[in-house]
Amino acid sequence: AQSVAQPEDQVNVAEGNPLTVKCTYSVSGNPYLFWYVQYPNRGLQFLLKYITGDNLVKGSYGFEAEFNKSQTSFHLKKPSALVSDSALYFCAVRDGGATNKLIFGTGTLLAVQP
Amino acid sequence: DARVTQTPRDKVTEMGQEVTMRCQPILGHNTVFWYRQTMMQGLELLAYFRNRAPLDDSGMPKDRFSAEMPDATLATLKIQPSEPRDSAVYFCASGLAAASGLSYNEQFFGPGTRLTVL
Repeated sequence: AQSVAQPEDQVNVAEGNPLTVKCTYSVSGNPYLFWYVQYPNRGLQFLLKYITGDNLVKGSYGFEAEFNKSQTSFHLKKPSALVSDSALYFCAVRDGGATNKLIFGTGTLLAVQP
Repeated sequence: DARVTQTPRDKVTEMGQEVTMRCQPILGHNTVFWYRQTMMQGLELLAYFRNRAPLDDSGMPKDRFSAEMPDATLATLKIQPSEPRDSAVYFCASGLAAASGLSYNEQFFGPGTRLTVL
């Protein structure tokens, strides 16, 4: 079965510093991976996805993610964090078979301090 | 700016009452998902529709929950009777899948319905 793991419940970073939110995956077949962000009292918003091609995927709000097949990871990164990036971040993988269901991780709370 | 809309945004009810949540997917999308989010369980998939047909509702308590799509512009999630453990935020999401059913497209989430059952 497809699954993703987000090993950190919370990540703290100072504004202006680079940030990384970790995600590892377990799939049978090709991995199709997604990152979403959830701001307080809002629905999830799509950030970026990896389907195939370049291992470095660029997304919204200056975020990018690096797909690493050997380490089965898909970490979310940003070179310089903003206070406004503080939110809950979810990694997800497309379920197998003829479906576009997504399997979500447990989420990582990103706190950016001024 | 196309968005998924959900009503009501907040609902407070008493145990035993029926609750109906509504979702309008983005026009042209052919897949609809219902999720439940709680602190303890995180984000859980309750039901999944493609072209208005239910494909997977294995995550939904069958005895009290039901999900339907009366037409392409409306999806509903009903709880009858409601219980305090149903208190959560319920999200609807829509997306576009190919005719084959395969899709690598993202899902678009609504703002959610915050349900409190007393």
